Amino acid sequence: AAGVIQSPRHLIKEKRETATLKCYPIPRHDTVYWYQQGPGQDPQFLISFYEKMQSDKGSIPDRFSAQQFSDYHSELNMSSLELGDSALYFCASSVTGDTGELFFGEGSRLTVL
Amino acid sequence: AQTVTQSQPEMSVQEAETVTLSCTYDTSESDYYLFWYKQPPSRQMILVIRQEAYKQQNATENRFSVNFQKAAKSFSLKISDSQLGDAAMYFCAYRSGGNRDDKIIFGKGTRLHILP
Repeated sequence: AAGVIQSPRHLIKEKRETATLKCYPIPRHDTVYWYQQGPGQDPQFLISFYEKMQSDKGSIPDRFSAQQFSDYHSELNMSSLELGDSALYFCASSVTGDTGELFFGEGSRLTVL
Repeated sequence: AQTVTQSQPEMSVQEAETVTLSCTYDTSESDYYLFWYKQPPSRQMILVIRQEAYKQQNATENRFSVNFQKAAKSFSLKISDSQLGDAAMYFCAYRSGGNRDDKIIFGKGTRLHILP
């Protein structure tokens, strides 16, 4: 079965640089979520999109932005990177009327030097 | 706002024994989902078991079962016949059932060690 695809899996950036993470949800899933998980932390919700419209926003820094495109893939853009942005970034998707489960990708590990 | 609390940062269990991980949550909603996710060293989030709040019967998945106490807002995970591959971080999670696009809220996690 198709799963949530995230790219790149690993990314190394310098402080003040910009990074873009991509997420391809499971086909026919209508909602995409982004989470940030710092070392030893629980995943923190950043932002979500339902049918390509932003539906909810969590603790996402102003330096971060995200969007969902017509093909339902989503991108998380992070600018002016800081050391504290080093984390595992998860994308998840779900479909309305299903089991309520969020299906997670394998994550993109960002390291800021 | 909903919250999820896992009071056990770490636990250990002997291989083949049974262990129970605790989770409590706070909500004013009546319609919601509860989950246990497993995160092994590979860091992938793997769904272990899910429970719909309207169902009184406790969910089971092979060696994994839950004790869902809705009135007490408790949702514990029991792992029977523990195996080395069960070693991981376990997150209890809550999701509202009312809106189609509600996010999942995670607890802080319990790291489970399996002793050979």
